[in-house]
Amino acid sequence: SQTIHQWPATLVQPVGSPLSLECTVEGTSNPNLYWYRQAAGRGLQLLFYSVGIGQISSEVPQNLSASRPQDRQFILSSKKLLLSDSGFYLCAWRRDRDSPLHFGNGTRLTVT
Amino acid sequence: QQPVQSPQAVILREGEDAVINCSSSKALYSVHWYRQKHGEAPVFLMILLKGGEQKGHEKISASFNEKKQQSSLYLTASQLSYSGTYFCGTEFAGAGSYQLTFGKGTKLSVIP
Repeated sequence: SQTIHQWPATLVQPVGSPLSLECTVEGTSNPNLYWYRQAAGRGLQLLFYSVGIGQISSEVPQNLSASRPQDRQFILSSKKLLLSDSGFYLCAWRRDRDSPLHFGNGTRLTVT
Repeated sequence: QQPVQSPQAVILREGEDAVINCSSSKALYSVHWYRQKHGEAPVFLMILLKGGEQKGHEKISASFNEKKQQSSLYLTASQLSYSGTYFCGTEFAGAGSYQLTFGKGTKLSVIP
């Protein structure tokens, strides 16, 4: 069966520090991968998605970036965090357009 | 591009029914429905792919209208466990579109 791993679960970082969140999927190949952010009490904002290695589409211009160095690995990064980057970051995957989206457990990021 | 959900919030007594709507300005390839409990990742409920499609999951069902621009989620004989925020996710029709964007959510509270 397929599983998605996302870490860390919680993170507290000072303003201006770098960020690296990692997500990996097991049990499938060539998944569609997604990063979403959810501000406190708000909806799910699509940040990046990828349909293949090295293929990244960005939905929101900001100081975040994403990379997919391996087929089942998706990384979210920032060189310098802002207070507004605080939120609940969710990685998700699906097999194809006809399949459900499966979310990881999320990373709760607090920028202080 | 974000789908519009209504209502924003609803309070039900146990056993009552509710309908949550999700509409798009463009024809859709698919509609996904998720439920999120406080502090947790969203959980998949169902996906609708075909115009006119209806799906059921115990006392929760959904429809996708023929023009493929609107979907409704039906919750019947609500239980306390149905409480949470419901999100619809939509993907536009057309080749090469892998963006899956979510509405702002509908907060459902079921009280005894």
